[in-house]
Amino acid sequence: GDSVTQMEGPVTLSEEAFLTINCTYTATGYPSLFWYVQYPGEGLQLLLKATKADDKGSNKGFEATYRKETTSFHLEKGSVQVSDSAVYFCALVEYNFNKFYFGSGTKLNVKP
Amino acid sequence: DAGVIQSPRHEVTEMGQEVTLRCKPISGHDYLFWYRQTMMRGLELLIYFNNNVPIDDSGMPEDRFSAKMPNASFSTLKIQPSEPRDSAVYFCASSGTFYEQYFGPGTRLTVT
Repeated sequence: GDSVTQMEGPVTLSEEAFLTINCTYTATGYPSLFWYVQYPGEGLQLLLKATKADDKGSNKGFEATYRKETTSFHLEKGSVQVSDSAVYFCALVEYNFNKFYFGSGTKLNVKP
Repeated sequence: DAGVIQSPRHEVTEMGQEVTLRCKPISGHDYLFWYRQTMMRGLELLIYFNNNVPIDDSGMPEDRFSAKMPNASFSTLKIQPSEPRDSAVYFCASSGTFYEQYFGPGTRLTVT
């Protein structure tokens, strides 16, 4: 079955450090891929998306590229800020099956 | 737009009591989702509706849980009777496309 695997957290970085959060997926069809972010005490918010292979999603300095050959969608940011501290969820949607799969989430702590 | 509205934000109840959680989706969105989030199991999809019709309720844990969507602007998730293991944050989300979900702030349920 379909699934999403994220790196275990928490990830602790200093401000202005480079961020990578790994995400790999298993899918039977042609999924769309998403990153959602959850700030403390809030619901999830869509951060970025990619709907086909080689697409790059980007938003607020975050980027992720849909790599079909490695079945990955790693989240990156060149210089993190304290305000980026949150839990990040990788997600997959199989269009034909109308199924939505979330990863387990990766908590990011950014220290000043 | 006010976004997805959930009520109450916090609910504390005793075991055996009935609990009703409410959700108002974003106007014009055809999809509505109910999720449960716990530390142990992460984010779980309980049920989702399309045009007020339940499409997939395979995530509903047991018969004590029920969800309704009587019209396009309102949905409820009911737990009867409640148990301590139901303690979690319950999120409602809505979407116009299925893929891009907008989450509410959540209801934190504590069953003692």
